[in-house]
Amino acid sequence: EIVLTQSPGTLSLSPGQRATLSCRARQSVSNTYLAWYQQKPGQAPRLLIYGASSRATGIPDRFSGSGSGTDFTLTISRLEPEDCAVYYCQQYGSSPLFIFGPGTKVEIK
Amino acid sequence: QVTLRESGPALVKPTQTLTLTCTFSGFSLSTTGMCVTWIRQPPGKALEWLARIDWDDDKFYTPSLETRLTISKDTSKNQVVLKMTNMGPADTATYYCARVLRSYSESSGYSYWFDPWGQGTLVTVSS
Repeated sequence: EIVLTQSPGTLSLSPGQRATLSCRARQSVSNTYLAWYQQKPGQAPRLLIYGASSRATGIPDRFSGSGSGTDFTLTISRLEPEDCAVYYCQQYGSSPLFIFGPGTKVEIK
Repeated sequence: QVTLRESGPALVKPTQTLTLTCTFSGFSLSTTGMCVTWIRQPPGKALEWLARIDWDDDKFYTPSLETRLTISKDTSKNQVVLKMTNMGPADTATYYCARVLRSYSESSGYSYWFDPWGQGTLVTVSS
């Protein structure tokens, strides 16, 4: 069974700083199967990154994804106040077919 | 523009069956490769994938809930319905539907992601 862990649990940074969010899989997976979502308070999740590194339509280029194997990273190069959200990684696998990580909360100081 | 909207009861009693409808526009579930999925999120907790239905009526369920879930589609109405039997307090959550997009690569086959999502509907299970 696929298990995803995300770290840190909470990230508190100032506007303009760089945020690095980690997603780790228990076993190696194809990077095409990894996606990232952003969920702002009171809103539905929104697709940010698919295939580990491809930005979804309309996503600012300050968001980038990288990684392979078991370790994946979402980077927000210059934090803006509207980036305050919980970020989830998601893996397409076998059983269950899709799994989400527990999320990383990004707070803006 | 692709939109999805969930509808259903806000309150169900324990042991009852929940029926949720996802009504979408901007795409057709009769198009090859198109899929719709359901995800839920208990208050303050993480996302949990529930089920997926494909254009060819293939259906997939999360193993832990498979015996309680049924997903179906009405292509003519642009709707996907999710039924969950024997509801309990632990099923209190916001339920989302989303369009599933897919891409193919020679090295790893098909990969899938969810975009866009509906706004979600909060279902509370209480007597």
